[in-house]
Amino acid sequence: AQKVTQAQTEISVVEKEDVTLDCVYETRDTTYYLFWYKQPPSGELVFLIRRNSFDEQNEISGRYSWNFQKSTSSFNFTITASQVVDSAVYFCALSGGDNYGQNFVFGPGTRLSVLP
Amino acid sequence: SQTIHQWPATLVQPVGSPLSLECTVEGTSNPNLYWYRQAAGRGLQLLFYSVGIGQISSEVPQNLSASRPQDRQFILSSKKLLLSDSGFYLCACTIGTGNSNQPQHFGDGTRLSIL
Repeated sequence: AQKVTQAQTEISVVEKEDVTLDCVYETRDTTYYLFWYKQPPSGELVFLIRRNSFDEQNEISGRYSWNFQKSTSSFNFTITASQVVDSAVYFCALSGGDNYGQNFVFGPGTRLSVLP
Repeated sequence: SQTIHQWPATLVQPVGSPLSLECTVEGTSNPNLYWYRQAAGRGLQLLFYSVGIGQISSEVPQNLSASRPQDRQFILSSKKLLLSDSGFYLCACTIGTGNSNQPQHFGDGTRLSIL
């Protein structure tokens, strides 16, 4: 069975601090995909990034960066110079081993509060 | 790109009343569609998914049901709501074949409160 763990339930930082959100996953599939989503207070889930299991290259997009390490089954998300608008719940998700997406498993989420 | 519409945005219903939440997708055809529920302060629970018209798979046994009468329409229903049905309901879709590699795109959700 697939599983995603986000051990940090809530994190609070002061604006301009860097923050890393942890994501650890479990899967028996050799091909799988990892995702991060942002859920702001308004509720909608916003897709941030997808990474496949064969691509361990880290990615940077503006203030966001992702560190995928297959050896530790982790896909961590770092926000550099955090801003108040980054306050949201962030979900890590895992998908694989099927053709319909029904095994799209979300972690429990990490609530990030960025204080001014 | 696809757009997902959900309505209503908020709903307050008494226990025992029926429910119908609607989700429609624009900008794509033959999407895979999903219903999720998110309890307050919790993660996402997959309720139903559909790979085509009239094809519904249930992930969690409960008093909810889903239907897909048209390619881009997905409806979540209940004949009698329970207090435990309160939550935030999200509709999502993926497009293309090999859906496990596709991100799920979400609607704005329906916040359901049962009194």
